[in-house]
Amino acid sequence: EVQLVESGGGLVQPGGSLRLSCAASGFTFSNHGMHWVRQDPGKGLVWVSHIETNGHNTDYADSVKGRFTISRDNAKNTLYLQMNSLRAEDTAVYYCVRVYYGIDIWGQGTMVTVSS
Amino acid sequence: DIQMTQSPSSLSASVGDRVTITCRASQGIRNDLGWYQQKPGKAPKRLIYVASSLQSGVPSRFSGSGSGTEFTLTISSLQPEDFATYYCLQHNSYPLMFGQGTKVEIK
Repeated sequence: EVQLVESGGGLVQPGGSLRLSCAASGFTFSNHGMHWVRQDPGKGLVWVSHIETNGHNTDYADSVKGRFTISRDNAKNTLYLQMNSLRAEDTAVYYCVRVYYGIDIWGQGTMVTVSS
Repeated sequence: DIQMTQSPSSLSASVGDRVTITCRASQGIRNDLGWYQQKPGKAPKRLIYVASSLQSGVPSRFSGSGSGTEFTLTISSLQPEDFATYYCLQHNSYPLMFGQGTKVEIK
């Protein structure tokens, strides 16, 4: 079964850092680009970042550029999102998603709350 | 950046109704568009990819059409399990952009 499982969310103070992980299984992880997508509570979906298969090419939404870093470890079948200088507006459910003709598979999401 | 305008933002319909949701792109995106269904507390699920291809396992009452700048998701006969929020997504260029969502509610 193709599966993406996020972890690492939680409560963090403004200005703090958090690292999200996404464990992939059931498919050849190194063959797929990956994204992070977030959803504010009760609101719509927002694309955050993308990484290509080799990990060398990345893209970011303007709202997170310079603060977030996406990376991957193909040997461990794991995707990461390092989030620094967190702001209240970064509060959201963060989804790890797979690239296949756009986005096909979604993880269950992990909640990040930025609050003092 | 390519903007996606989805309409309507919400609609009320009855079981058995035909429902149509539209997404317009601010510039041409070929057929680089997907449709997603999301139920409360759950991750989105893809219904349609490359504008008109039905995702495996998705009922045939769902269909997609369009190319370029205008796209449509149609539910031919609304079922109780279809009450949810629907989103389009353009993946032609970065930043990827979702539509604002359409909440389909029971009339």
